[in-house]
Amino acid sequence: GAGVSQSPRYKVAKRGQDVALRCDPISGHVSLFWYQQALGQGPEFLTYFQNEAQLDKSGLPSDRFFAERPEGSVSTLKIQRTQQEDSAVYLCASMPGLAGWGGETQYFGPGTRLLVL
Amino acid sequence: DQQVKQNSPSLSVQEGRISILNCDYTNSMFDYFLWYKKYPAEGPTFLISISSIKDKNEDGRFTVFLNKSAKHLSLHIVPSQPGDSAVYFCAASAYGGSQGNLIFGKGTKLSVKP
Repeated sequence: GAGVSQSPRYKVAKRGQDVALRCDPISGHVSLFWYQQALGQGPEFLTYFQNEAQLDKSGLPSDRFFAERPEGSVSTLKIQRTQQEDSAVYLCASMPGLAGWGGETQYFGPGTRLLVL
Repeated sequence: DQQVKQNSPSLSVQEGRISILNCDYTNSMFDYFLWYKKYPAEGPTFLISISSIKDKNEDGRFTVFLNKSAKHLSLHIVPSQPGDSAVYFCAASAYGGSQGNLIFGKGTKLSVKP
């Protein structure tokens, strides 16, 4: 498809379990973002990649959160030792150009809904 | 402290009438503003944007107004249609006109009744 895809769409994890969330951005898009959306809230920025380089990870809530984009396309967000407060929708967005160089649209995937029991 | 605020959690409008969704911000460094629309179980879809050098941007039935002195923007939908029923998020960026690190409001749920 032409849009951003994410998998799995839903994930139930037991507290303490590690999870990996995948994002397939639009082909050729340079910039990739991860956001976390808690229930009743707007999306909150987690991290930003320019190609394979992670240029901003200031939004990652703890060192249990790790993201990578090794070949500058697919990205994985990993959460180690999940906690109940990690329950949220995790959104991935991609953008054709570089962040900081002029207004462009971020295109969002459908999100992965994570529930930690 | 919330930098982007949407103070109305919900709005109900009759089909054919105008919908006005409001957004306030506190960071004077924000220079690019966007509205996204979100249906249940889908990701946010870009709707319309405005740069801080403008005070109005129009796209079909959608118009965004920016009042920089009041740090306020609004989205007008005219005429409203039942298919417009969704959650609308206001977002802002401080990356010189690009969409780097977007800051979102909590959203306003719009219901357009036939």
